[in-house]
Amino acid sequence: QLQLQESGPGLVKPSETLSLTCTVSGGSIINSNYYWGWIRQPPGKGLECIGTVFSSGNTYYNPSLKSRVTMSVDTSKNQFSLRLTSVTAADTAVYYCVRVGGSTGWYYFDYWGQGALVTVSS
Amino acid sequence: QSALTQPASVSGSPGQSITISCTGTSSDVGGYNYVSWYQQRPGKAPKLMIYDVSNRPSGISNRFSGSKSGNTASLTISGLQVEDEADYYCSSFTSGSTLYVFGSGTKVTVL
Repeated sequence: QLQLQESGPGLVKPSETLSLTCTVSGGSIINSNYYWGWIRQPPGKGLECIGTVFSSGNTYYNPSLKSRVTMSVDTSKNQFSLRLTSVTAADTAVYYCVRVGGSTGWYYFDYWGQGALVTVSS
Repeated sequence: QSALTQPASVSGSPGQSITISCTGTSSDVGGYNYVSWYQQRPGKAPKLMIYDVSNRPSGISNRFSGSKSGNTASLTISGLQVEDEADYYCSSFTSGSTLYVFGSGTKVTVL
């Protein structure tokens, strides 16, 4: 059974960089034909896709966050990561790592991590 | 502001059927058969319930069904159970720059 687990600091200061890592178990990132991604949910609000990354390193970022986001894959550790720079209180959210699935492409999020609450505050 | 429009809340009694709508545009819901639905219980991660408009992942009850007409997709829960109380989000692939869009979410209450 595929499992995803987020890890990283739960508190980040304004203007600093948010860094999260997702560890994948029960399956290999490198031997899969899937994109892997990050979705966030501000407290009491809806879901927003931050972006996705393929095992080759190919990425897609939400245009609204593109200037501040970097995603990468570490196939040796079966992990992928998110970096979000210059954070503000508006970036406070639960961050989920996900697998992006689909039969002829990548169209839905079929596996989710449990979520990591990141609070931006001084 | 979410790209897809959902009702804020829907309620029903145990055993009844309810339907949640998800309205988009020809650039997302209407243009592709890539609508998915997610159930989110309080404090938990979302769970995939329906993909590609009407397909259920393994292990999902057949009480959950999906459909689409034009720019509006729908999730129907039949034989409503107390355990179905949750927030439900729709999502669609889009030709827009965001690639994936979500609905605003619908809170389902079992009376």
